[in-house]
Amino acid sequence: QKEVEQNSGPLSVPEGAIASLNCTYSDRVSQSFFWYRQYSGKSPELIMSIYSNGDKEDGRFTAQLNKASQYVSLLIRDSQPSDSATYLCAVNPGGANSKLTFGKGITLSVRP
Amino acid sequence: NAGVTQTPKFQVLKTGQSMTLQCAQDMNHNSMYWYRQDPGMGLRLIYYSASEGTTDKGEVPNGYNVSRLNKREFSLRLESAAPSQTSVYFCATRGTGVDTQYFGPGTRLTVL
Repeated sequence: QKEVEQNSGPLSVPEGAIASLNCTYSDRVSQSFFWYRQYSGKSPELIMSIYSNGDKEDGRFTAQLNKASQYVSLLIRDSQPSDSATYLCAVNPGGANSKLTFGKGITLSVRP
Repeated sequence: NAGVTQTPKFQVLKTGQSMTLQCAQDMNHNSMYWYRQDPGMGLRLIYYSASEGTTDKGEVPNGYNVSRLNKREFSLRLESAAPSQTSVYFCATRGTGVDTQYFGPGTRLTVL
């Protein structure tokens, strides 16, 4: 069974710090990788996608992918209290009927 | 442009009752998905539809049925609700040729 593992939380960081969220996946042929943010009581919203090895930056967010190690991470620089949410890692193995496998999520709390 | 809508937002059922959760999208997307989200379990795929007229089972299909009524609408039916089906249900859509899934606001279902 394809698995997506996220390091156990919750994670607490002070305002202004870098938050590092990690995710590993079991299916070596996985093609695309996503980070969703979910505020309490709300639906998941996409914040980053990454398809190639290396880093991808978008504002304060950086996604890092290492396919050899089957590892994807999300860095949040200058963390703000508004970043407090649950972050879900999702992996798509590819193929005609594209389906995502989600990790269980990690809850981030940014302390003012 | 509402995106993905779900009805109802909240529902309480008694064991054995039936109900249908509705999902509609105005994004002209071919693929639609039903997930359930339980505490500590992440998002799990119940059923999906790659296109109008097709449906297929996901990870946790038992106790559910689906109908892809047309391109816009994808409904999830509980024929005989059980307490184990207490959960938050999310509908999602995906456009052709892209991996990104867009989520509706969710339905919070309680089965007593």
